[in-house]
Amino acid sequence: NAGVMQNPRHLVRRRGQEARLRCSPMKGHSHVYWYRQLPEEGLKFMVYLQKENIIDESGMPKERFSAEFPKEGPSILRIQQVVRGDSAAYFCASSPSGGLAEQYFGPGTRLTVT
Amino acid sequence: AQSVTQLGSHVSVSEGALVLLRCNYSSSVPPYLFWYVQYPNQGLQLLLKYTSAATLVKGINGFEAEFKKSETSFHLTKPSAHMSDAAEYFCAVSPNNNAGNMLTFGGGTRLMVKP
Repeated sequence: NAGVMQNPRHLVRRRGQEARLRCSPMKGHSHVYWYRQLPEEGLKFMVYLQKENIIDESGMPKERFSAEFPKEGPSILRIQQVVRGDSAAYFCASSPSGGLAEQYFGPGTRLTVT
Repeated sequence: AQSVTQLGSHVSVSEGALVLLRCNYSSSVPPYLFWYVQYPNQGLQLLLKYTSAATLVKGINGFEAEFKKSETSFHLTKPSAHMSDAAEYFCAVSPNNNAGNMLTFGGGTRLMVKP
């Protein structure tokens, strides 16, 4: 059973471009969480999604960031008009249900904005 | 609001020595607490979790942690360090509800194991 997959693993974007980060949850998992890890910091919660629904986006920046988890296909974290401060590692985690179900983390996407 | 503080961003121990990684939390309600390990270029792996049952929690790879409400602590220990334990360790807290398991992480502690 494949684990959580994220691609690309490394992404380089110039300021002003768009970044699309993909997360394929484990088979049978319908809950996805996105976290951001800035250099030398811990992970910060961004958004919690179930299939076709955003449940909690309290950690998302108000502008330029959006997330979706369609009925078919991976979850997408989209960052428009990237700035240098967006450079970070972005991790997604999936779980089979909400509540205290264990989250399984992907290897992360390291975004570098030049 | 919940928060987690990990004392010591870097900890170095000798192989075979006791590992102690400190975690203190702040929460207005009894929290759920977790320890995760992150190996280089990998995602986080759950070591153990406290969910208001036994206060001494045993996890994988010989690690354990004790929930101490009076000290608002959840320190991670292992009696004897192995070289393979070298990694970054994160303590995390989540709200005690069923609304989703949004984790709040500490800043992490990088454990180095000397031969």
